[in-house]
Parts: sequence; C-alpha cells; structure tokens
Amino acid sequence: EAGVAQSPRYKIIEKRQSVAFWCNPISGHATLYWYQQILGQGPKLLIQFQNNGVVDDSQLPKDRFSAERLKGVDSTLKIQPAKLEDSAVYLCASSLENVNSPLHFGNGTRLTVT
Amino acid sequence: GENVEQHPSTLSVQEGDSAVIKCTYSDSASNYFPWYKQELGKRPQLIIDIRSNVGEKKDQRIAVTLNKTAKHFSLHITETQPEDSAVYFCPPRSDYKLSFGAGTTVTVRA
Repeated sequence: EAGVAQSPRYKIIEKRQSVAFWCNPISGHATLYWYQQILGQGPKLLIQFQNNGVVDDSQLPKDRFSAERLKGVDSTLKIQPAKLEDSAVYLCASSLENVNSPLHFGNGTRLTVT
Repeated sequence: GENVEQHPSTLSVQEGDSAVIKCTYSDSASNYFPWYKQELGKRPQLIIDIRSNVGEKKDQRIAVTLNKTAKHFSLHITETQPEDSAVYFCPPRSDYKLSFGAGTTVTVRA
C-alpha cells in the first residue's frame, strides 16, 4: 500500500512569513494526526482528525496555526505568522480507526524559521 | 486520562547484549500497547504491538511482554546490533488522543 505522503520535505522561511504543509493519508484511514517534533524531543500532538471532524486540538496554537481536512482525506496545516520557535519537523500520521490501531507516519516536513 | 511512564530514558548496551525498556500505565481499560522506533533523522515506525488478550508477542529479535495485573509492558531486544540504535516510544493514550513522550534513547556500542 502507498504510505502517508507529505510535502514539501523542506521549507525555509523568515519569521512573520506564512507556510503551509500538505498531507495525504493512507487510503481508507479515518484518523489523521499532525505532530510537531522539535529536535531532541518526542512528537507533540497538534491536532487529530476523525474523518473531517476535529477530535482534539488542545495543543494547537490557534492564534497562528490552523489545520483542515476537507472531505475527510487530505489535510493542510498552516502557520501564519511563523516564529523562530516553530522550527521543527512537522509529521503527519494516519491510522485505520483510532488510537488503538497502528500509526503510519509520513516522512515529515522540516521547517526552518530564520 | 492515561498516564504512562517509560524507563530508562537512556540505555547504552554492548553489541550483542540485550536491551529492555519498560512502560507502566495507569488506565486498566487500556487494551492496545504499541512500540515505535525512530532512527536519527527518520520518521517513527511501529516495530511491534500487543493487545490485552495476549501476554507476549515476538518478532525475530524483538518481543513485547504485557503484565496487565502490574500494568506494565516491556520491549525486549536480543542480540542488539548497531541498527538498533534509535529512540523508542511507548505512547500513552488519553481518551482519543495519542501523544508521545521523550522516549528511550538506545545506543548500541560496537
């Protein structure tokens, strides 16, 4: 089966600019996750979708981050405006059902904010 | 919600020796126990998982054991090799959320 696709792989922007990441989950996977992984730390959950509804976004900085999952398939994560501390790898993952099924991760997008 | 403690935070082993990482959890209703491995610069990947109706599961050199009474599950790696050097996670699940802690950094010394 095709894996989770993410783009772009790398992005360099200046602070206060905006950026968007795209994720295409494995076909048929109902649950989609966006994680932020800062160097040396474990992945931090930003937002979790079940189909096209938000299950949890308690750790999403809503003043600058937004995410959507139109039609319950692809998803985009946007940051506007970016801050230096947003430099991280943004990982998208999907699972067939919910947290009790294996997560499949994409290769991530490495964001550098200068 | 679920509270999971993972130990140790770092582990250094001689190549060929065994490595064991333990996770304790608080929610007795938990029924799915996965282990993820993340090599440097790569994405996390599921390496083995177990469900609550099974006590042990093995896949070549890795195994997971579950003790539901004591509420802990462990990852066992035998005959460690350099490619086992990575960060290993046993993510806790709270309601429907799935977050990862800092994990265990395993270093295999040649």
